[in-house]
Amino acid sequence: DTAVSQTPKYLVTQMGNDKSIKCEQNLGHDTMYWYKQDSKKFLKIMFSYNNKELIINETVPNRFSPKSPDKAHLNLHINSLELGDSAVYFCASSHPQGTDVLTFGAGSRLTVL
Amino acid sequence: GQQVMQIPQYQHVQEGEDFTTYCNSSTTLSNIQWYKQRPGGHPVFLIQLVKSGEVKKQKRLTFQFGEAKKNSSLHITATQTTDVGTYFCVRYNFNKFYFGSGTKLNVKP
Repeated sequence: DTAVSQTPKYLVTQMGNDKSIKCEQNLGHDTMYWYKQDSKKFLKIMFSYNNKELIINETVPNRFSPKSPDKAHLNLHINSLELGDSAVYFCASSHPQGTDVLTFGAGSRLTVL
Repeated sequence: GQQVMQIPQYQHVQEGEDFTTYCNSSTTLSNIQWYKQRPGGHPVFLIQLVKSGEVKKQKRLTFQFGEAKKNSSLHITATQTTDVGTYFCVRYNFNKFYFGSGTKLNVKP
């Protein structure tokens, strides 16, 4: 039973294209996140949603648009892809009760050519 | 800012040697978390420290939180090849998890 699942796992596309990454969690968590991990392994928070409401938007270009249709899903749509968007994108969820920890998906490796 | 600094960036050890990574913050932390990311994998939560001077152990791993709550360390005794990966300290505050730069550990058999 996968707790946080994201698709696709790999995505190779041309500059200028639009692509989406989907994420679903079956943990019943209230909060979901998108993180970007670059080639140097830096993990940077992009967005966070709590019960479908955007609560964190960390200076991400507006080519990136998250959408949360319900609290179990958080999708990421990227318009006009650029070379610098190549990275691994991780979805994660957390439940702020007791010890609030992040549970990550397996990641989606995006390569922009 | 919100970031926590980690050193070293890389560490190569022979299997059986010890390893330590350090995490430093310019401001007082309410808590610190540690995550491990295996090569090709995703970060996985290891532990959270909350109290000043707290020390917690998980088998060969020892986690410490500084008395001033501005630094933390992770020490691995007698490394094994299964310890290979990147270790991150994470600052948590009101739904925001800020990752340190990570320490990549390589263990030579």
